[in-house]
Amino acid sequence: AQSVSQHNHHVILSEAASLELGCNYSYGGTVNLFWYVQYPGQHLQLLLKYFSGDPLVKGIKGFEAEFIKSKFSFNLRKPSVQWSDTAEYFCAVNAGNNAGNMLTFGGGTRLMVKP
Amino acid sequence: GAVVSQHPSRVICKSGTSVKIECRSLDFQATTMFWYRQFPKKSLMLMATSNEGSKATYEQGVEKDKFLINHASLTLSTLTVTSAHPEDSSFYICSARDIWGHEYNEQFFGPGTRLTVL
Repeated sequence: AQSVSQHNHHVILSEAASLELGCNYSYGGTVNLFWYVQYPGQHLQLLLKYFSGDPLVKGIKGFEAEFIKSKFSFNLRKPSVQWSDTAEYFCAVNAGNNAGNMLTFGGGTRLMVKP
Repeated sequence: GAVVSQHPSRVICKSGTSVKIECRSLDFQATTMFWYRQFPKKSLMLMATSNEGSKATYEQGVEKDKFLINHASLTLSTLTVTSAHPEDSSFYICSARDIWGHEYNEQFFGPGTRLTVL
């Protein structure tokens, strides 16, 4: 079974600072990788996803993530955060063997951006 | 974009009663819907996978008699928490996958239902 680890539980940054949130997964086969964001009081929204091809994936709102297969990682990055990026971020993995399309989520990282 | 709704958004009930939560895909058909539970300051835990016209598949540790799931149509799945107890209080979130699967494995999430059992 796959598992997902997000090592940073809480991150506090000032506006314009750069962001990198770690995500590691454990699964030996083909995976599909996702980052979701949950703004306060809102539902989960997809930021970006990786299925195949270029391991550097660009998503919405200036976010990007890089899939490094050798490290089993899919870290989320943004060069310059804004106050509006304050939210909880979840990394998720789906095993590529189409196991019912179920997603396994990491524990989440709560980001607070100070104005 | 694909929209998933949940009803109700909040529900408070007495211990021992049953509560039904609806999950609807508003502008697409979903053969598969997923039910998650989110504890405070915790991540989402998959409870079950709901397939239209067949029995749901429950994750280990989830009581199927406690959490009844029905997926009678391509746009509606329901989760019924039977004989609810205070420990069932949680945030329940559903997601749906487009029947056509043009975005392979992408799930669209509902806004969640906060259940409080007194």
